[in-house]
Amino acid sequence: GAVVSQHPSRVICKSGTSVKIECRSLDFQATTMFWYRQFPKQSLMLMATSNEGSKATYEQGVEKDKFLINHASLTLSTLTVTSAHPEDSSFYICSALSPLAGAGDTQYFGPGTRLTVL
Amino acid sequence: GDSVTQMEGPVTLSEEAFLTINCTYTATGYPSLFWYVQYPGEGLQLLLKATKADDKGSNKGFEATYRKETTSFHLEKGSVQVSDSAVYFCALSDQGAQKLVFGQGTRLTINP
Repeated sequence: GAVVSQHPSRVICKSGTSVKIECRSLDFQATTMFWYRQFPKQSLMLMATSNEGSKATYEQGVEKDKFLINHASLTLSTLTVTSAHPEDSSFYICSALSPLAGAGDTQYFGPGTRLTVL
Repeated sequence: GDSVTQMEGPVTLSEEAFLTINCTYTATGYPSLFWYVQYPGEGLQLLLKATKADDKGSNKGFEATYRKETTSFHLEKGSVQVSDSAVYFCALSDQGAQKLVFGQGTRLTINP
């Protein structure tokens, strides 16, 4: 149980275009999802917290107009990288918070999306 | 702010060797502590966790004890296998599992 999927797994786009990444909780409802960015050989950096039906909360330094997050249902959150540039190339990972794991909440992670902007 | 420091990798061991990956943290409160593992091509998976001082988390032969006095949560396994090859992340959260702060990750390679 507690599976999180991401789509696409890999995307290559031209500079200036927008890219949408989907994150789905497959077998549970997630009122809260998170978006992370991971640079090569570095740790995951939290970009934003997404709550179903409300605006996302962005971490300091993350441009909310560039990284649009929509959490329209209890099983789907999307991240849109608008007007992408080469410096946006990275590995984007989502997670969903599940209360099903017993004592305390647990974040379940998707497999990630590799974005390459040419 | 809160932070997590892990031992630098990569770490290469032979099968059946003893493993320790060090993790220390800085936090203002009393955080929950986690170890996540990322196998090649897969997402992060929760390996184990501890929510209060002196708690020991364990799973799949791995163990880590929440040491408040040394602000540490070192990961150990008595006999590693080739299938343990992965990247291991130490993390903390002041708010249950919300707002995880990760260490930089340690790549572990186990040779047969």
